[in-house]
Amino acid sequence: GIQVEQSPPDLILQEGANSTLRCNFSDSVNNLQWFHQNPWGQLINLFYIPSGTKQNGRLSATTVATERYSLLYISSSQTTDSGVYFCAVPGTQGGSEKLVFGKGTKLTVNP
Amino acid sequence: ETGVTQTPRHLVMGMTNKKSLKCEQHLGHNAMYWYKQSAKKPLELMFVYSLEERVENNSVPSRFSPECPNSSHLFLHLHTLQPEDSALYLCASSVATYSGEQYFGPGTRLTVT
Repeated sequence: GIQVEQSPPDLILQEGANSTLRCNFSDSVNNLQWFHQNPWGQLINLFYIPSGTKQNGRLSATTVATERYSLLYISSSQTTDSGVYFCAVPGTQGGSEKLVFGKGTKLTVNP
Repeated sequence: ETGVTQTPRHLVMGMTNKKSLKCEQHLGHNAMYWYKQSAKKPLELMFVYSLEERVENNSVPSRFSPECPNSSHLFLHLHTLQPEDSALYLCASSVATYSGEQYFGPGTRLTVT
């Protein structure tokens, strides 16, 4: 089945710093999602990005499908950016088709 | 209401209780999903419904019983749970099964005592 790996697992920043989160996947995919899980547990959709680059405010994402990776950029980070960032791709795992999640990057932004 | 809603947001239940979790999506989607997220574990897909028909059941114990009366509503009926079932339960929906973006509800944080 497809494997999804995210790096780094943990990231601590000072407010105002920039960061790049990475998502590697082991097989070709036709879509990819980035989520932010806030401290209350809600998964918030950030990007639906099968390929190319998208921007939304201080966040942007780039997926290079041919090289099987995606990057999430956070600029001028704020304390409200803290939480866990997941990427997810459709694939087969354990014999079942599903949206396969990486283990996430836990981001802490300090004031 | 917009997006995907879940009730209740928090639930504490004893091992002999019966309770239900409710999910409603206001997006006109045809596929709905239940996920479980335990502490320090990745999201686990539990059930998938497409147009009210169950299409996936990922070896979930029978003490969890899903119900999908229509394409907008999804329930998870709980009975005789174990303490290890304490987790965050998330509902999601998408246009079609594994097609397009999945949108998640805020979750129900369940504690089994």
